[in-house]
Amino acid sequence: EVQLVESGGGLVKPGGSLRLSCAASGFTFTNAWMNWVRQAPGKGLEWVGRIKRRTDGGTTDYAAPVKGRITISRDDSKNTVYLQMSSLKTEDTAVYYCVGATTLVLGYWGQGTLVTVSS
Amino acid sequence: DIVMTQSPDSLAVSLGERATISCKSSQSILYRSGNKHSLAWFQQKPGQPPKLLIYWASTRESGVPDRFSGSGSGTDFTLTISSLQAEDVAVYYCQQYDSTPYTFGQGTKLEIK
Repeated sequence: EVQLVESGGGLVKPGGSLRLSCAASGFTFTNAWMNWVRQAPGKGLEWVGRIKRRTDGGTTDYAAPVKGRITISRDDSKNTVYLQMSSLKTEDTAVYYCVGATTLVLGYWGQGTLVTVSS
Repeated sequence: DIVMTQSPDSLAVSLGERATISCKSSQSILYRSGNKHSLAWFQQKPGQPPKLLIYWASTRESGVPDRFSGSGSGTDFTLTISSLQAEDVAVYYCQQYDSTPYTFGQGTKLEIK
């Protein structure tokens, strides 16, 4: 059974930092391109960024609203992907989903972790 | 960026009737192989993460009931639920994975009439 378990969400003040983790199991993590997708309260889905698998260079791509403020990394030895966020803004408040893709398709979703940016 | 536009924003359909949701991309999302489109459909129920229904525009994900089907080409795509069941009440999103930033449609809320 595929499982993606996010952790690290919580309340943070504007300008603060947070690191989210996502532990994966049930699929070949090293073959997956790992993504983060977020959803603001009552709103739609927004892709945040991704990291390719090591054999594809392990490179990252980020959405414009977060570029320069986030870093996605992965530890294949732990089947874990990370989302480091800094200079957080109130508009970053959202549920953050970890999403695995083995053939470009966003097939494996975690339950999400809520990040609230508020003073 | 590729803009994905869904219509309608909300839809009410009677049980057992057909539901159709449209999705239009602002440019071609034809995969480089030339024979399929980089388009997925997701279903999201309240308090749950999105669930993949359809990928490559028309391939049904394993375990998804066959009343769900996807079609389309070029820049126009459709999700069809052939006979609406009560458990299909949800918000539906299309998404392109042709190029980053991946983008989603705004969502279509499907309800029972």
